[in-house]
Amino acid sequence: DAGVTQSPTHLIKTRGQQVTLRCSPKSGHDTVSWYQQALGQGPQFIFQYYEEEERQRGNFPDRFSGHQFPNYSSELNVNALLLGDSALYLCASSLASGIHPSYNEQFFGPGTRLTVL
Amino acid sequence: QKEVEQNSGPLSVPEGAIASLNCTYSDRGSQSFFWYRQYSGKSPELIMSIYSNGDKEDGRFTAQLNKASQYVSLLIRDSQPSDSATYLCAVNSGSGNTGKLIFGQGTTLQVKP
Repeated sequence: DAGVTQSPTHLIKTRGQQVTLRCSPKSGHDTVSWYQQALGQGPQFIFQYYEEEERQRGNFPDRFSGHQFPNYSSELNVNALLLGDSALYLCASSLASGIHPSYNEQFFGPGTRLTVL
Repeated sequence: QKEVEQNSGPLSVPEGAIASLNCTYSDRGSQSFFWYRQYSGKSPELIMSIYSNGDKEDGRFTAQLNKASQYVSLLIRDSQPSDSATYLCAVNSGSGNTGKLIFGQGTTLQVKP
């Protein structure tokens, strides 16, 4: 059973550049959430995609945008990179259908370490 | 007040002891609660989920939930050096199953041989 995959593993960019991170959800999952984790902190919710639409969004500026494809994979785009965007970017997948709270169980990919110089 | 609070630690316990990790949350509408384990340099791994008041056991792990006190805990019995990691408490945000998880900053656990 394939787990959540993310690419690339590491990325180095300079201020002002743009970056695209990619995620494939766990087999059978249809919902993708993106989180940013700064060093020593817990993950912070960026946004969630379901049925190719942004369903929820956290307190992140419009420089952060995303997309979900028909095969449920997703991309996170960050424009005009700032030094403060350096972090571990995590993708988590889950299954939206059903009414039991267990659908909130989210499984993380290995993450993409972004360094902005 | 932070939405999900954890003691950052480090919490140090001897091998074989019980490790007790605590978490409080502010949103009374939350219905789903999770514990993730994160090794240094790795991504979080889901180890326990709990939805109802009381205890839930899975192997050496027991999650405890008290919605009235807005308190979640994780007990690790017979702690092993391999349990040394950061433990993240996560709570779903808002009433119903919104899917947005709010994380605490994590508690670092050190199990000494």
